[in-house]
Amino acid sequence: DTEVTQTPKHLVMGMTNKKSLKCEQHMGHRAMYWYKQKAKKPPELMFVYSYEKLSINESVPSRFSPECPNSSLLNLHLHALQPEDSALYLCASSRRDTNEAFFGQGTRLTVV
Amino acid sequence: EDQVTQSPEALRLQEGESSSLNCSYTVSGLRGLFWYRQDPGKGPEFLFTLYSAGEEKEKERLKATLTKKESFLHITAPKPEDSATYLCAVIGATNKLIFGTGTLLAVQP
Repeated sequence: DTEVTQTPKHLVMGMTNKKSLKCEQHMGHRAMYWYKQKAKKPPELMFVYSYEKLSINESVPSRFSPECPNSSLLNLHLHALQPEDSALYLCASSRRDTNEAFFGQGTRLTVV
Repeated sequence: EDQVTQSPEALRLQEGESSSLNCSYTVSGLRGLFWYRQDPGKGPEFLFTLYSAGEEKEKERLKATLTKKESFLHITAPKPEDSATYLCAVIGATNKLIFGTGTLLAVQP
């Protein structure tokens, strides 16, 4: 089983809203990731958690706030987003942070 | 800075017409090179991991190879269902999975 589950699949939010994206894996992986992908572009790394600790933050604006409550769950809290933040947000996990990563199907976020 | 360049940007093949996609990389302390397939609106699907020069991996009509500077994804006798964007990615000493810009493959029946 190489499944990473993301919810919701689609999200429309206003610029003053607060929302959260959720990601779950039950493969025993100890590294989890958030990526952002714009149309016709490759995924861009946002955050890496290794053993539930934030190990990489790619200078992401503070309106994006990651959280790793336990080894199976990863959240991305969103607040005061801008229309240019509209994108496909991808969660991934891997056994460790140097192994192949398995991706979820993404959350399509639209900021209006 | 780690960099990954893929070519061509787009490739159109007839069904059964074999070809290769290229991934050139510059990375300090390569820890792994990965190939993914991505369908529109979906997350990337893992295909292969290559760790050292000379290594090869195969899966159905796909074969991935690795040298010290580049990797190739060979597609033998492709079918329309192989149409997708193929992404190459590397992990180096920074422990960051960095993607190339991808090759959009279209296989026509």
